[in-house]
Amino acid sequence: DTAVSQTPKYLVTQMGNDKSIKCEQNLGHDTMYWYKQDSKKFLKIMFSYNNKELIINETVPNRFSPKSPDKAHLNLHINSLELGDSAVYFCASSQTRTPRGNEQYFGPGTRLTVT
Amino acid sequence: SQQGEEDPQALSIQEGENATMNCSYKTSINNLQWYRQNSGRGLVHLILIRSNEREKHSGRLRVTLDTSKKSSSLLITASRAADTASYFCATDLLQGAQKLVFGQGTRLTINP
Repeated sequence: DTAVSQTPKYLVTQMGNDKSIKCEQNLGHDTMYWYKQDSKKFLKIMFSYNNKELIINETVPNRFSPKSPDKAHLNLHINSLELGDSAVYFCASSQTRTPRGNEQYFGPGTRLTVT
Repeated sequence: SQQGEEDPQALSIQEGENATMNCSYKTSINNLQWYRQNSGRGLVHLILIRSNEREKHSGRLRVTLDTSKKSSSLLITASRAADTASYFCATDLLQGAQKLVFGQGTRLTINP
């Protein structure tokens, strides 16, 4: 009954490889996000999707390609991995601004290590 | 530069004491939210305060918002060891696409 789940939790790979991270939410939210958290804990948004439509693309290298097959899933594919891609990647979801607010629910994170 | 900046970056107090963390931001907001992140885990939403609100309470948490100074504070009263975590403020900007901009966080350590 996990609200936002991500797989895998850990990912260790070599430079130049291509990898994917998957995210699913069962909260019925219409918006999903990918964040990158660096070693200094700074959390930066990468992408957001609303009902499968790309809304935000925050100057992320085009080696990163998100895909949303439906509003409950948002995957992140990374081509030609670089050392600087090492970070923790978080998926999150929310419901478009409601009277109650638009708090986000985060997945447990995927720790990506590029060697 | 970042929208939200938090102060202090790290705070260490004794169990039972109160902990106060501050957040400043630059541009107009719809609301401001506070999140907690335990080590190795995802962020958990704590409390949301709207731009027309000045103070909000939730259990041992008290949040204030001063839009004239573009600042917010999070007070945790009667701290417990389990409160040890990083705390982030996040602003929902008034302009542009709906997104949250996070501060760099305050690392809170509660010593038993």
